[in-house]
Amino acid sequence: AQRVTQPEKLLSVFKGAPVELKCNYSYSGSPELFWYVQYSRQRLQLLLRHISRESIKGFTADLNKGETSFHLKKPFAQEEDSAMYYCALKTTGGFKTIFGAGTRLFVKA
Amino acid sequence: DAGVTQSPTHLIKTRGQQVTLRCSPKSGHDTVSWYQQALGQGPQFIFQYYEEEERQRGNFPDRFSGHQFPNYSSELNVNALWLGDSALYLCASSYGQREEVGKQYFGPGTRLTVT
Repeated sequence: AQRVTQPEKLLSVFKGAPVELKCNYSYSGSPELFWYVQYSRQRLQLLLRHISRESIKGFTADLNKGETSFHLKKPFAQEEDSAMYYCALKTTGGFKTIFGAGTRLFVKA
Repeated sequence: DAGVTQSPTHLIKTRGQQVTLRCSPKSGHDTVSWYQQALGQGPQFIFQYYEEEERQRGNFPDRFSGHQFPNYSSELNVNALWLGDSALYLCASSYGQREEVGKQYFGPGTRLTVT
């Protein structure tokens, strides 16, 4: 069965420190992977997807098929990065998106 | 463009009742997906509607049904409500092409409380 695991419920870092939010997935095919973010009192929004290979707000994520991971990274965290982050997977040929349970990132001043 | 809109914002129902939630997609989008998000969990896929038909369904019982109208707006119906149906219900819209369907825009959600 397809599954997305985000092992950390809460991640707390200091402003300016590097941040890595972990995401592991379980899927036998070639997945399409996403990171969504929800800032306080805002709706869930797409941050980035692996097929775009883009950097948004300084965040990047690399798909590692060998380790079945799609970790989200940023070299220097900012206070405005504090939010809830969800990793998500869409199966090849399917239309269903599977979300992880989310990691709350707290960036301290 | 207001983006994806959902109504109502909140509602309270009693066990056994039925509820209808509504969603209008972002302008230009033709696909609507519905999710259930329990407290402390990520969104769980209920089903997706495209061209007025249910295109894929998640692991939800038949008590959960939906509809999509010609203007692409959608409804989620839940019959015989259980206490466990209490959750935030999210609607997301996208373009229908397979390569674009994962790029979703979410609504603010409807908070359903079943007592």
